Amino acid sequence: NAGVTQTPKFQVLKTGQSMTLQCAQDMNHEYMSWYRQDPGMGLRLIHYSVGAGITDQGEVPNGYNVSRSTTEDFPLRLLSAAPSQTSVYFCASSYRDNYEQYFGPGTRLTVT
Amino acid sequence: ILNVEQSPQSLHVQEGDSTNFTCSFPSSNFYALHWYRWETAKSPEALFVMTLNGDEKKKGRISATLNTKEGYSYLYIKGSQPEDSATYLCAFNTGNQFYFGTGTSLTVIP
Repeated sequence: NAGVTQTPKFQVLKTGQSMTLQCAQDMNHEYMSWYRQDPGMGLRLIHYSVGAGITDQGEVPNGYNVSRSTTEDFPLRLLSAAPSQTSVYFCASSYRDNYEQYFGPGTRLTVT
Repeated sequence: ILNVEQSPQSLHVQEGDSTNFTCSFPSSNFYALHWYRWETAKSPEALFVMTLNGDEKKKGRISATLNTKEGYSYLYIKGSQPEDSATYLCAFNTGNQFYFGTGTSLTVIP
């Protein structure tokens, strides 16, 4: 099992550009989520999904879109990158929402 | 926005010492409390998921307790070893939403 994979590992964008962060898991988990990690703050939930075709907003959803067309994949789209979106992004998955989450290796994004 | 607080922010202990840290969370809308261990340059790894008031979980030298009525959980490490050096995160789960604390950074000095 590869677990939770994320691509790319690093990305630099210019303000206004769009991009998609990829996340995939091979554990047949129903629950998937995206977090951002900023200095001095805890991990903050951006969006989550409880199954294919179902997504919902977390604590900090503005500027991001998600979709869940398959159980395995949960991409995060930045529509128009802003410097405030400079962060480390983690994708996570779990069997259900009250089971342990497995985290991907993270994507470090810089917006200039 | 829910407030999840962890204390202390950082801790330095000698090898062999036992230590504990606290996670405080709102006592309403409780669904589960998660503990994670996060080593530098790695991803968070799950330690425990606790759902019932009075729960106690143990994994090797690490254990945790949960009090949902007063809104706190303790993580204990017995006989700390250098490999225990990491940041320990707690996350308050209200159902589908997770709220993480900022973590306790533990350094174990050989």
